[in-house]
Amino acid sequence: DAKTTQPNSMESNEEEPVHLPCNHSTISGTDYIHWYRQLPSQGPEYVIHGLTSNVNNRMASLAIAEDRKSSTLILHRATLRDAAVYYCILRPNYGGSQGNLIFGKGTKLSVKP
Amino acid sequence: EPEVTQTPSHQVTQMGQEVILRCVPISNHLYFYWYRQILGQKVEFLVSFYNNEISEKSEIFDDQFSVERPDGSNFTLKIRSTKLEDSAMYFCASSYSGTYNEQFFGPGTRLTVL
Repeated sequence: DAKTTQPNSMESNEEEPVHLPCNHSTISGTDYIHWYRQLPSQGPEYVIHGLTSNVNNRMASLAIAEDRKSSTLILHRATLRDAAVYYCILRPNYGGSQGNLIFGKGTKLSVKP
Repeated sequence: EPEVTQTPSHQVTQMGQEVILRCVPISNHLYFYWYRQILGQKVEFLVSFYNNEISEKSEIFDDQFSVERPDGSNFTLKIRSTKLEDSAMYFCASSYSGTYNEQFFGPGTRLTVL
């Protein structure tokens, strides 16, 4: 499975934007970039995913570099509820894969009031 | 909004005992997964299940583990003879398709083996 690299931790102030980086220099052309997060004492939660183009949904935006070797998850206005561990995960897009998620250590985001 | 549910929320057992962890996936989902997370460590994939059979399994999922979808709604993980190192949070997840759709996770079952 292709590997991702994320900072161990980041801090943000409440109501400010947060940019969470992820490097995936060995990404293949068939890999989707997925982001999940895990709030304290909860199961992981899907955030967003993309292939080549930038993506927006109600939770966040995903900016993907042109060469696809890195991506950035953007939370437009951090709230205290966004404090979580954020995981950047590559998922292969081919018929033989059943799509199990390979989690790394992720980035622990702290949000200060 | 539909959600994945898991029971029990906390299970305490003695080493060597069998445990069954239960999950009710989202009703129209076709793919089912078990993951575990030892305290302070990464979430680890255990097994995926589709069309009433195991699709993929990790090295962790040895002969002590089994999965079943006994009645079309429940999805269970059985550990035949628990070991101390099986103590962890166990998360069930489901998705409509294998690769293209997001996985929805349950709240987890905390298994404590004494």
